Amino acid sequence: EAEVAQSPRYKITEKSQAVAFWCDPISGHATLYWYRQILGQGPELLVQFQDESVVDDSQLPKDRFSAERLKGVDSTLKIQPAELGDSAMYLCASSYAGLAAGELFFGEGSRLTVL
Amino acid sequence: KNEVEQSPQNLTAQEGEFITINCSYSVGISALHWLQQHPGGGIVSLFMLSSGKKKHGRLIATINIQEKHSSLHITASHPRDSAVYICAVRRSGTYKYIFGTGTRLKVLA
Repeated sequence: EAEVAQSPRYKITEKSQAVAFWCDPISGHATLYWYRQILGQGPELLVQFQDESVVDDSQLPKDRFSAERLKGVDSTLKIQPAELGDSAMYLCASSYAGLAAGELFFGEGSRLTVL
Repeated sequence: KNEVEQSPQNLTAQEGEFITINCSYSVGISALHWLQQHPGGGIVSLFMLSSGKKKHGRLIATINIQEKHSSLHITASHPRDSAVYICAVRRSGTYKYIFGTGTRLKVLA
């Protein structure tokens, strides 16, 4: 069964270090989302891609976060430098393109702990 | 006030009980999703609804578009149903999803 792949599953780092997360969506899914989920809360959108283009990054802290999806397939989310408040689960999700709503598929997430 | 609200926030049930989780939203939507998240795990989509009712095994989801309300029902609950259940809506005319804060369900054996 097709799935959204994410890595690493767990990452522990010290503050001020750089961190990167990778996501490979389900084949053919043009829409890719990166969400941040703090313990006990619902996911919050960081960035949304349509193919290789950023559609929405209004909630992305651009002074330290960056995201790319160069060939419109897999994507990387980077944090530099990491801060204590960045400790969270980073979730990647994908769906088919089009304004007709489709199923939303999530990866297992990458749990970040910043010490 | 959040655009998507769930109730209850926490729920403890005995095995075999019938469970209902509610979701209310205040925006126009093209679809509503019910998601399940196990502790430390990723998120799995249970249902996507735009109208009416869907059933899968012991799970039933309903939506009332006029009242902007959806419910997720679990019949004959089991300890393996213990998880966080999240309601998410897709805002009309956009690709944007808005998530509720989730309902933490614990089913005791």
